[in-house]
This record gives sequence, structure tokens and C-alpha cells, in this order.
Amino acid sequence: QVQLVQSGAEVKRPGASVKCSCETSGYIFSFYSIHWVRQAPGQRLEWVGSINGGNGNTQYSQKFQDRVTITQDTSARTVYLELRSLNSEDTAVFYCARGGSYFDSVNGYERPAEFFQHWGQGTLITVSS
Amino acid sequence: DIVMTQSPDSLAVSLGERATINCKSSQSVLYNSINKSYLAWFQQKPGQPPKLLIYWASTRESGVPDRFSGSGSGTDFTLTISSLQAEDVAVYYCQQYSTSPWTFGQGTKVEIK
Repeated sequence: QVQLVQSGAEVKRPGASVKCSCETSGYIFSFYSIHWVRQAPGQRLEWVGSINGGNGNTQYSQKFQDRVTITQDTSARTVYLELRSLNSEDTAVFYCARGGSYFDSVNGYERPAEFFQHWGQGTLITVSS
Repeated sequence: DIVMTQSPDSLAVSLGERATINCKSSQSVLYNSINKSYLAWFQQKPGQPPKLLIYWASTRESGVPDRFSGSGSGTDFTLTISSLQAEDVAVYYCQQYSTSPWTFGQGTKVEIK
């Protein structure tokens, strides 16, 4: 079965950086993208960015673009989120999530789709001086 | 960015009664070429990650009870819980996956009356 296992909680000072991991299993890694989603206390879910498991191409939310990097180690089936210049707004749970897929009946093959079908358990990042 | 707006922010429903949550997108998430609306619904309980309930606006995820149903197209969508159970107490979110950045509604908290 599909599993996404995230690294443990971190406490960081304002201005520091953090790197979280998301180890995946149970599916064809190259077919799907992995996304990162931030959930701050009392706030809505917020998409941070994603990486394509096949070609490594990344997409970032404009809000985070200047201070986020998403990478992957395909041999380890692990995706990483690095967030720099942390501030109090980054005190949040960060989730990794894998997209879904659908059968394209016009062209006759399966295609990925970006509804978040599987989620990691979340990594709590606390930013505090 | 596409803005997703849910209503109400919270609702209290008696056990066995119907719960209805609305979601409106600031622009259409319908792809006419494949006649699909790129809209998903999630359930989130305290301390847990979101769980996918519905995608393509009305397709129920495997294992989701059939009391959950989704409807709508274009910009206006509804999640219905036909007969509320105690285990349905949660926050529900809609999400559009039509256009990056993928965006979520603010959430609707469902409680027992």
C-alpha cells in the first residue's frame, strides 16, 4: 500500500533553515508528483510546492518561491523540503502528499492528477527564539 | 490565484440528519474538453492529516462511506453527508486542482447538535 513517512518535529530559531523529508513506498515513484502543504494553527491548508517524480521538475507557490527548495533522491524514494529564513508564520505542520491519477479515455492511458490522494503524517516545525 | 470560499464556517447537525457544505471558486475549475471539474473534498480530524473523500467533484474515493456525496460543476460545489454519524465530526476542506497554485477553502467545522 502507498505510504508516506515524514521526518520528526523540529524547533528552529527565527532566520534559520529547516529540511524535512518524506520517504515514500508502495507505488511507481516516477509517475507521481509529491507536494508539500503547510497548515499553520487556525489557518487553511496552503500549498507550498511540488516535485515531479519522473523528471525532477519543481513548481513553487509564489509566496514561498524565494526561500524554498524541494529535492528528491529517487534511489531512496525520498523527497525533501528545505525552507530558509524561518519566521513565526512558519510555525506549522508541514505535510507531504502524493497526487492521484485518472484514465484518459481519449488517448488510452493513465495520467497523473493533482488531487492529494495520499498524505504523510505531518512534521511540526516550531519557530521560536 | 483561484480563491476557494466555503460556507458556512461551521455547522451543528443532529445525528442522522443531513449536513451540507458549499464551496465556491473564484473562476471555473471545469475542463470542458474532458467534462470534469477539478475539485476535491477532504476530511480532517484533530491531529490527523487530511483524508481525501471526493475528487472530480463527485467521485467518491475508495473506502469512503456512501453517505458522503459531492455535486456541482464550474464554480459552485456541494459536499453532502446524508446521515451524520458521530465519527463525521471534523473539519472539511475543498481544493481546486485546475490551476497552479493549488488552493484550498478555509474549512468548515462540522459538529453534533
